Amino acid sequence: RKEVEQDPGPFNVPEGATVAFNCTYSNSASQSFFWYRQDCRKEPKLLMSVYSSGNEDGRFTAQLNRASQYISLLIRDSKLSDSATYLCVVTEYASGTYKYIFGTGTRLKVLA
Amino acid sequence: DVKVTQSSRYLVKRTGEKVFLECVQDMDHENMFWYRQDPGLGLRLIYFSYDVKMKEKGDIPEGYSVSREKKERFSLILESASTNQTSMYLCASTPAGAPSNTEAFFGQGTRLTVV
Repeated sequence: RKEVEQDPGPFNVPEGATVAFNCTYSNSASQSFFWYRQDCRKEPKLLMSVYSSGNEDGRFTAQLNRASQYISLLIRDSKLSDSATYLCVVTEYASGTYKYIFGTGTRLKVLA
Repeated sequence: DVKVTQSSRYLVKRTGEKVFLECVQDMDHENMFWYRQDPGLGLRLIYFSYDVKMKEKGDIPEGYSVSREKKERFSLILESASTNQTSMYLCASTPAGAPSNTEAFFGQGTRLTVV
């Protein structure tokens, strides 16, 4: 079983739609949680951290459920520029530092 | 502007060659990581380092080694390149300490093809 699992998609949605991505992680000792965005042929970049209380950044809302080991990302009012791969990331303490464990990513295509 | 720089964007090497991938960061970060990214498999951790001369195996270290002689530089070495090491290689760095809100900064990636 993979440490971090995501539906690979693609999710094809029209502009203006609301879309939700889910992610599950296997290690209950995971420390921190993030969503990263990766554009085609580019490096991943931080989209937002995810907190237990839930957090929002503009059109983006992230939720964490530690009991169910589940993370979600909601994008409202999708834009063409939101088309990318969204990576779920957890951290685990190992050998003196924190490792960043990535899911395989969920591909989003926003259609005009 | 923070930066992680990888020495090459594209590289083509022959089977059996020794390959060096270089990564330099200018943020004075303690931690550095090497990942490879393959379709359907995502980013997989090869090696990481939390201090100069320290190195730890990630999930897929076989066929690779690393070197960290200076804080800002972390090198990935393919001792004898094989075709199954054809991949996108990504270097990342983070500061020390708890990562509750700590971003991992990535280099632009090196697409390595072994022929």
